Amino acid sequence: GAVVSQHPSWVICKSGTSVKIECRSLDFQATTMFWYRQFPKQSLMLMATSNEGSKATYEQGVEKDKFLINHASLTLSTLTVTSAHPEDSSFYICSAREEQAWAEAFFGQGTRLTVV
Amino acid sequence: GNSVTQMEGPVTLSEEAFLTINCTYTATGYPSLFWYVQYPGEGLQLLLKATKADDKGSNKGFEATYRKETTSFHLEKGSVQVSDSAVYFCALSLSSNTGKLIFGQGTTLQVKP
Repeated sequence: GAVVSQHPSWVICKSGTSVKIECRSLDFQATTMFWYRQFPKQSLMLMATSNEGSKATYEQGVEKDKFLINHASLTLSTLTVTSAHPEDSSFYICSAREEQAWAEAFFGQGTRLTVV
Repeated sequence: GNSVTQMEGPVTLSEEAFLTINCTYTATGYPSLFWYVQYPGEGLQLLLKATKADDKGSNKGFEATYRKETTSFHLEKGSVQVSDSAVYFCALSLSSNTGKLIFGQGTTLQVKP
């Protein structure tokens, strides 16, 4: 299958700082990318959907000013957690898919964010 | 609303045992159903899928049949290996155009030699 690379794999930051997580499709053009959040021993919850060149669509309850998503090219989307707090500590996973209907979404390996 | 419910884990089995992980769903319309696997330290990988009622998805010895009458998509494998130890997620998608997935809570499988 296609490869989606997420970077970094883990990051520790101080409370109040911002952290950027990158999601890259390495061998296909990702017209749509998705960002999920996974709490310990819980399921993945979709945070937002981003389409290349347009604003991201956020799910209900997700603060768009807190979680900034940019999808500036067909191979790169970034999630920036602004003014991070300990409650933002979580596992963040991206997925990416091509444009055609029923195209499979491929997942990155995830980023473990710890805010101290 | 739309949701996916999986049996709670962890599930602990001996090697070569039979595996069933139950998954039921609630959805408007006609969803596609998926099983994803997450090995330790890795991202999710698609294990199998079914896009319409009575379809059977299969891969690597795993199978699941889309049962509309019972709104279920149970995962089965006849003989598990230690290498199957992972977290398994059942998921549904409501549209071919979005790729948005609704996940179950995940079931941890531990296979002992």
